[in-house]
Amino acid sequence: NAGVTQTPKFQVLKTGQSMTLQCAQDMNHNSMYWYRQDPGMGLRLIYYSASEGTTDKGEVPNGYNVSRLNKREFSLRLESAAPSQTSVYFCASTQVNQPQHFGDGTRLSIL
Amino acid sequence: AQSVTQPDIHITVSEGASLELRCNYSYGATPYLFWYVQSPGQGLQLLLKYFSGDTLVQGIKGFEAEFKRSQSSFNLRKPSVHWSDAAEYFCAVSRYGGSQGNLIFGKGTKLSVKP
Repeated sequence: NAGVTQTPKFQVLKTGQSMTLQCAQDMNHNSMYWYRQDPGMGLRLIYYSASEGTTDKGEVPNGYNVSRLNKREFSLRLESAAPSQTSVYFCASTQVNQPQHFGDGTRLSIL
Repeated sequence: AQSVTQPDIHITVSEGASLELRCNYSYGATPYLFWYVQSPGQGLQLLLKYFSGDTLVQGIKGFEAEFKRSQSSFNLRKPSVHWSDAAEYFCAVSRYGGSQGNLIFGKGTKLSVKP
């Protein structure tokens, strides 16, 4: 089983460029999440989707947008990348009474 | 507001020694608690979880954790550390008390293992 798959694994952007991080899960989970991980900060929730067709802001949503394309896919978009968005981004999914399952992350550098 | 505190940023133990990683949480009701491990360059892997019931929880890789409501703690333990346990460990609590979603993470404890 693939679990949670994130693409790309690495990306370098210039300030002001846009890009979309992709996430797909094959576990038939209802809920999906995007986190960012910065040194010494743990993981912070950017956006989440409790079910297909719904999205909500997390702790640090500014500068990001999300789309729950279908039950499997949940994308994160940076419209105008800034150096402060240099981070490792993790997607996760879960079902009721189950812990979250994480992807391997996307390492994003913005110059 | 809910929060999770991992007081130790970095711990070094000798291989074969016992390990305890501390986690304290702030939450008004019965929390759902988790420990995850992250190896360098990897995602997070669930070690164990506490939802209800027995306060001593067994996990994978020989880890266990004990929920102590009176101390608002959920410390992770292992009786004998292996070199492969070197990683970063994160404690998390579910923000709304449910088993899913909206986890609040501690800032992590990095474990180094001496030969």
